[in-house]
Amino acid sequence: ETGVTQSPTHLIKTRGQQVTLRCSSQSGHNTVSWYQQALGQGPQFIFQYYREEENGRGNFPPRFSGLQFPNYSSELNVNALELDDSALYLCASSLGPSRGGVRSGANVLTFGAGSRLTVL
Amino acid sequence: RKEVEQDPGPFNVPEGATVAFNCTYSNSASQSFFWYRQDCRKEPKLLMSVYSSGNEDGRFTAQLNRASQYISLLIRDSKLSDSATYLCVVTRAAAGNKLTFGGGTRVLVKP
Repeated sequence: ETGVTQSPTHLIKTRGQQVTLRCSSQSGHNTVSWYQQALGQGPQFIFQYYREEENGRGNFPPRFSGLQFPNYSSELNVNALELDDSALYLCASSLGPSRGGVRSGANVLTFGAGSRLTVL
Repeated sequence: RKEVEQDPGPFNVPEGATVAFNCTYSNSASQSFFWYRQDCRKEPKLLMSVYSSGNEDGRFTAQLNRASQYISLLIRDSKLSDSATYLCVVTRAAAGNKLTFGGGTRVLVKP
């Protein structure tokens, strides 16, 4: 069973540029969530993809967008990069979309090692 | 006020000692609770779910206090390998598919 893999592991961009981060979900998982983790803080929910559609979004501007492919892999795109976008971007896969009120394996996330983005 | 708050620490713990720390949540409709562990510069990994009746997994004990809206994690007989950041996670039905993380509590176990 393969885990969640992300690429690239590290990258450096300048303000105004665009970046694409990629994620392959764990075998058997059909849902992918993206989180942003700034230094010294907990992960913040960006959005989730299920059945190739966005299935919930956190408090992030539209310049953060994503895709999910038929094989359940996913991309996170960030346009017009800002200095504050510097963070660890974590992809997490799960068995179906999480349900807040249900004690379900769908709430259990398997995280990838992350892509560390530095914006100069 | 943040939805999920944790004491950032660090909690400096002698090896073999017991350490406990809490996480408070602001929304009384919160329904599912978890502790994740994150090692330095690594990804978070699920440590344990927190059930209403409390639960134990080896040296780790998690408790939920709905009246006061907090969960706790207790680590007994601390090992050097327990040094990590412990993230509290809360979900609620109205938030649908979002897991809300606290900022984490850093624990340093020293010889």
